[in-house]
Amino acid sequence: AQKITQTQPGMFVQEKEAVTLDCTYDTSDPSYGLFWYKQPSSGEMIFLIYQGSYDQQNATEGRYSLNFQKARKSANLVISASQLGDSAMYFCAMRRGGSQGNLIFGKGTKLSVKP
Amino acid sequence: EAGVAQSPRYKIIEKRQSVAFWCNPISGHATLYWYQQILGQGPKLLIQFQNNGVVDDSQLPKDRFSAERLKGVDSTLKIQPAKLEDSAVYLCASSLDTSRLAGRRETQYFGPGTRLLVL
Repeated sequence: AQKITQTQPGMFVQEKEAVTLDCTYDTSDPSYGLFWYKQPSSGEMIFLIYQGSYDQQNATEGRYSLNFQKARKSANLVISASQLGDSAMYFCAMRRGGSQGNLIFGKGTKLSVKP
Repeated sequence: EAGVAQSPRYKIIEKRQSVAFWCNPISGHATLYWYQQILGQGPKLLIQFQNNGVVDDSQLPKDRFSAERLKGVDSTLKIQPAKLEDSAVYLCASSLDTSRLAGRRETQYFGPGTRLLVL
């Protein structure tokens, strides 16, 4: 069965420091996509970064980068130079292989940035 | 480019009442999703449309939930009758076209959600 696991319910980071949010996944499909979303208290899910299973390089989007280790089935999100506005819930998600693209989400990690 | 629109933003009803949510996806997006997010959990797919056809409704409680996307654009999700456990945030998302999965074309963009409280 396909599954996303986020083992950190909550994380703290000092402003301007880097932080890594963990995500492991389980799938038997060779083709899949991995996503990270940010959900602030307002509730909207904001797309951050995407990694395809066949992508040769780790994805980067500004201060966000994805540490993709295919053999270990991990897709950790790295946020560099944390800002107070980064405080939010962060969800890792995987496109279900073989279907039409809907996502399976992890339970999320609550990130708190301290001034 | 306008994002995914949803209304209402908040709704409070009593159990056994009915409620409807509306979603307008990003212009040109063929695929539309409805997710349910219970407090403390990640979103769970309820139903997925490709244009005006249903692709996946395997997790939709069909005895009380229904959804339609008649003209392949806007969509409505209805609950009738509501139960206490339906209290959640209902998120609508859209993506370009997942019939041809190709990298970022499959990225889903979410609306602000509707917070439902059933008393």
